[in-house]
Amino acid sequence: DQQVKQNSPSLSVQEGRISILNCDYTNSMFDYFLWYKKYPAEGPTFLISISSIKDKNEDGRFTVFLNKSAKHLSLHIVPSQPGDSAVYFCAASAVTGGGNKLTFGTGTQLKVEL
Amino acid sequence: EAGVTQSPTHLIKTRGQQATLRCSPISGHTSVYWYQQALGLGLQFLLWYDEGEERNRGNFPPRFSGRQFPNYSSELNVNALELEDSALYLCASSLNFYGYTFGSGTRLTVV
Repeated sequence: DQQVKQNSPSLSVQEGRISILNCDYTNSMFDYFLWYKKYPAEGPTFLISISSIKDKNEDGRFTVFLNKSAKHLSLHIVPSQPGDSAVYFCAASAVTGGGNKLTFGTGTQLKVEL
Repeated sequence: EAGVTQSPTHLIKTRGQQATLRCSPISGHTSVYWYQQALGLGLQFLLWYDEGEERNRGNFPPRFSGRQFPNYSSELNVNALELEDSALYLCASSLNFYGYTFGSGTRLTVV
C-alpha cells in the first residue's frame, strides 16, 4: 500500500522556467511533509518541509504548497537551474500521532535543460 | 560536524550469504533509521532504532535485522541473501520528528 505517491517518474523543464513536482498521500494522520533531493551516489538531502497547519512554505527558490482537503502537496522551483537536476522525494510523517517514521514516495527525476 | 557515515560503500555478496552494513549517526543523534532503495521502488522503511532498542520495523522478512550500540552506531544484517536484496541501503539519523539526515548509502549487489 503506497501511502505517498509521486505519479510522475520524470519531469523535464528548461532553465529559468518553473518546475512543479507533485505528491499525493492517502493517510489522513500525516501532518508533516518534507521534500528531499537526491543526486546519484549520494544520500537524500533535506530541501524544505511544511506542517499541516500551514498551506505554504517558502525558502528561496523553493516553495511547497499543501492542500489538505485534496491530500496533495507540490514543490515549486523558480527559476529552475541545471544544478536542480536530481531525484526529488516527497515524504510524510504522522508527528502528532507519535510517529517518527518518514514514509517516502517513489521519487520524480527532474531534468533541467539549458 | 561529521555527517552520517556508512560503510562499506559497495558490497558484493553471493546468494545465500550474509551481509553486514554499518552506520554512524551524527554526534548527539540517538535515532537511526534504515531504508532500502531498490530500483523503481523509492525509499522503503526497514528499521528504526532509538536508545539501543528497535522501535519500529517495516514490511521486511525477519532475515533483515539489526542492532544499535551504546554509542548509537548501528548495524544492519541481511541473512540468506537473495538476488532481490540488491539495492542501495540508506541509513539516517535524527534528533526529533522533523526530518532525517541521510548517509551516502551502501550499494549491496547479490550475485
